Amino acid sequence: GQNIDQPTEMTATEGAIVQINCTYQTSGFNGLFWYQQHAGEAPTFLSYNVLDGLEEKGRFSSFLSRSKGYSYLLLKELQMKDSASYLCAAPRLLNTDKLIFGTGTRLQVFP
Amino acid sequence: DAGVIQSPRHEVTEMGQEVTLRCKPISGHDYLFWYRQTMMRGLELLIYFNNNVPIDDSGMPEDRFSAKMPNASFSTLKIQPSEPRDSAVYFCATLGTSGNLWADTQYFGPGTRLTVL
Repeated sequence: GQNIDQPTEMTATEGAIVQINCTYQTSGFNGLFWYQQHAGEAPTFLSYNVLDGLEEKGRFSSFLSRSKGYSYLLLKELQMKDSASYLCAAPRLLNTDKLIFGTGTRLQVFP
Repeated sequence: DAGVIQSPRHEVTEMGQEVTLRCKPISGHDYLFWYRQTMMRGLELLIYFNNNVPIDDSGMPEDRFSAKMPNASFSTLKIQPSEPRDSAVYFCATLGTSGNLWADTQYFGPGTRLTVL
């Protein structure tokens, strides 16, 4: 089957670090995506991991462990504008190509 | 480039009416995706096209939904007849692939917020 799990909501304080976890079960593996979606807006691409390890992009980093079916998105030096939903997504490759999204983690950053 | 363009941005209609959502992809992008997003189910892929040809429509909920891509610069998603449970935000996304479909980034349009009364 195909399943992506992530926490529904998280809160954090401005300037802090937050880690958003995602576990996935996919038939086949061809990478894992993170998207950011502000309320009322379209999702925008943050990161794509296909190999194990940590990839850093400024304040945002994404980690992948294929053997564990696990990924996380790490946000450092949180800013108020980071309040958004963060969507984990992975392709399903068996029988049909389809990018499956998790329901998203809504992050609220407080001052 | 103006990005992915969707129209209308908001649509309010009555149950039983036909609804047509439109999408103009980024020029040169050969994949186009239609998604539906609700609080309960999150973001779901409905159908996608490659070079104007529907590749996977297994996400289309039922026969009331249909999608077309008559040319590389235009696609429609039609619901006929519409029902209140179709209320959602419908996103169009496109990408231009280098060969590995899932290694490339999808660019989303602003979405159409559909309310069926």
